Amino acid sequence: SQTIHQWPATLVQPVGSPLSLECTVEGTSNPNLYWYRQAAGRGLQLLFYSVGIGQISSEVPQNLSASRPQDRQFILSSKKLLLSDSGFYLCAWRKTGTLTFYGYTFGSGTRLTVV
Amino acid sequence: QKEVEQDPGPLSVPEGAIVSLNCTYSNSAFQYFMWYRQYSRKGPELLMYTYSSGNKEDGRFTAQVDKSSKYISLFIRDSQPSDSATYLCAMSAGNSGGSNYKLTFGKGTLLTVNP
Repeated sequence: SQTIHQWPATLVQPVGSPLSLECTVEGTSNPNLYWYRQAAGRGLQLLFYSVGIGQISSEVPQNLSASRPQDRQFILSSKKLLLSDSGFYLCAWRKTGTLTFYGYTFGSGTRLTVV
Repeated sequence: QKEVEQDPGPLSVPEGAIVSLNCTYSNSAFQYFMWYRQYSRKGPELLMYTYSSGNKEDGRFTAQVDKSSKYISLFIRDSQPSDSATYLCAMSAGNSGGSNYKLTFGKGTLLTVNP
């Protein structure tokens, strides 16, 4: 069966510090991978998505970047965090190679507080 | 006009009530419709999935899609306190028009079922 792992669950970081959030998917190959941010009252905001190793599409220009060094690994990074980067970060994946679309499967999320 | 509109609530009902949650959308290319349930501080989980128009029932949950009105609904019968969560509608045009299975979410409706 397929599973998605996201860590850490909670993170408190000072302004100006770097960030690295990691997401891995097991039990599938060549998934599409997604990073979302969820802020109160603003819903789910798509930040980045990837259709393959090294292929990253950015949806919103911001202080963050993403990388996909391996097929089932997706990393969200920042060199210098801003207060506005606080939020709930969610990784998700989509199964490829099928004719049917069943939506995305989400990880358990990382709650980031920048202080 | 936003692509997907969802009343954020909050919605508070007594245990056993029938709950109706709704979303409207503007993109006529949408053909995949989903409802996600998100418990506090957790990632969203797929609850119901519908392709094109029609109804789908799963236990106490019924999803309805009316493409002519661009309107989708989720009904919860005999609501339970464990149904207390945020419900997000989501929809996609699949791979048509270069959409690449992008999923567009509503902002979510917070539901509380009181015992």
